[in-house]
Amino acid sequence: ETGVTQSPTHLIKTRGQQVTLRCSSQSGHNTVSWYQQALGQGPQFIFQYYREEENGRGNFPPRFSGLQFPNYSSELNVNALELDDSALYLCASSRLPGAYEQYFGPGTRLTVT
Amino acid sequence: KNEVEQSPQNLTAQEGEFITINCSYSVGISALHWLQQHPGGGIVSLFMLSSGKKKHGRLIATINIQEKHSSLHITASHPRDSAVYICAVSPGGGADGLTFGKGTHLIIQP
Repeated sequence: ETGVTQSPTHLIKTRGQQVTLRCSSQSGHNTVSWYQQALGQGPQFIFQYYREEENGRGNFPPRFSGLQFPNYSSELNVNALELDDSALYLCASSRLPGAYEQYFGPGTRLTVT
Repeated sequence: KNEVEQSPQNLTAQEGEFITINCSYSVGISALHWLQQHPGGGIVSLFMLSSGKKKHGRLIATINIQEKHSSLHITASHPRDSAVYICAVSPGGGADGLTFGKGTHLIIQP
């Protein structure tokens, strides 16, 4: 196990609602990245936080937002949920941005109905 | 934007066989990652490499930077190796996350 935890494990929401997913990083890691994995696809990069600031962002709309806290835990917030937001959401922590080993959490399975 | 291609997409083999999974990418990178994903979603990092070759147990990963190509080998495969193997690359800068291939679904039959 990696020491990265995510909550909740599973979540069912209705279209239009808002959701908050949480991630607790590996000890000593100050960088967290969030990924969306649709069924049968590879993960897609949403954004990365480093020392509480957004450090990079993939091709996701502004209704996907995040936070990183002083203890380096992190949140992913999604507003105005759409059916296509149904996916596995993964967070990964690393010691620094860039070419460092990524430690993944178990993921949160979000279903939007 | 880096394009990461893996082959094969699906692979079924008999226990004991030597397995090779290939990965190619289109743009220069700072590192390449091989990851393992089991049903249920959890991803485990197997290797991170930027040059040469790494070995861990029955797993071997190689990378050729000039050819933008990497391979993951499994020797003496076992049914517990059955999983999805994903190749992912770290871009040249530090501010973007990994770009992933679609994965290779490996089944090892007893």
